[in-house]
Amino acid sequence: KQEVTQIPAALSVPEGENLVLNCSFTDSAIYNLQWFRQDPGKGLTSLLLIQSSQREQTSGRLNASLDKSSGRSTLYIAASQPGDSATYLCAVAGANNLFFGTGTRLTVIP
Amino acid sequence: SAVISQKPSRDICQRGTSLTIQCQVDSQVTMMFWYRQQPGQSLTLIATANQGSEATYESGFVIDKFPISRPNLTFSTLTVSNMSPEDSSIYLCSVEGVITEAFFGQGTRLTVV
Repeated sequence: KQEVTQIPAALSVPEGENLVLNCSFTDSAIYNLQWFRQDPGKGLTSLLLIQSSQREQTSGRLNASLDKSSGRSTLYIAASQPGDSATYLCAVAGANNLFFGTGTRLTVIP
Repeated sequence: SAVISQKPSRDICQRGTSLTIQCQVDSQVTMMFWYRQQPGQSLTLIATANQGSEATYESGFVIDKFPISRPNLTFSTLTVSNMSPEDSSIYLCSVEGVITEAFFGQGTRLTVV
């Protein structure tokens, strides 16, 4: 069964810093990988979707990479802002459903 | 993209009662998914709901506890039955997302007292 791990579990950085969140998965047979943002007690907001044939995707200050063979993805956030504070989840798509990581809780300190 | 409206956004319920959560999508979709997120945990898939057929439940979830309706291609409900404090979680509906991008509702934060 696919297992998805996110490190670190929590991260606190000063405003303006660049940061990297990590996601690893055990089974490289995936359709895609998606990064989400979740605010406390709320639903998930899709940030980036990387298809299995792609290496990276960019949206604004966010850049996500995918190395399927090694089972890794990173989410790079440039020039962090207090509004970026949230939990970030990665999810990999298998044949029938998504497998979620446990998330990284990010706090950006003004 | 799909816009999903989920309600209620939160509720506090007495143990032994039931709560029905509604999920409305702004476009027709084939597959809808219901997830549970227990405090401090990641998301766990409860079931997949396809229009015109019974929902498919994941291991550990049963229809008597979590009955699901899918009357058309834009709407679904999840009922949490005979609730206990252990059912306190965030419940989320989602559309698409196995091959394509997944979209989620705002979530329902349930507290059972």
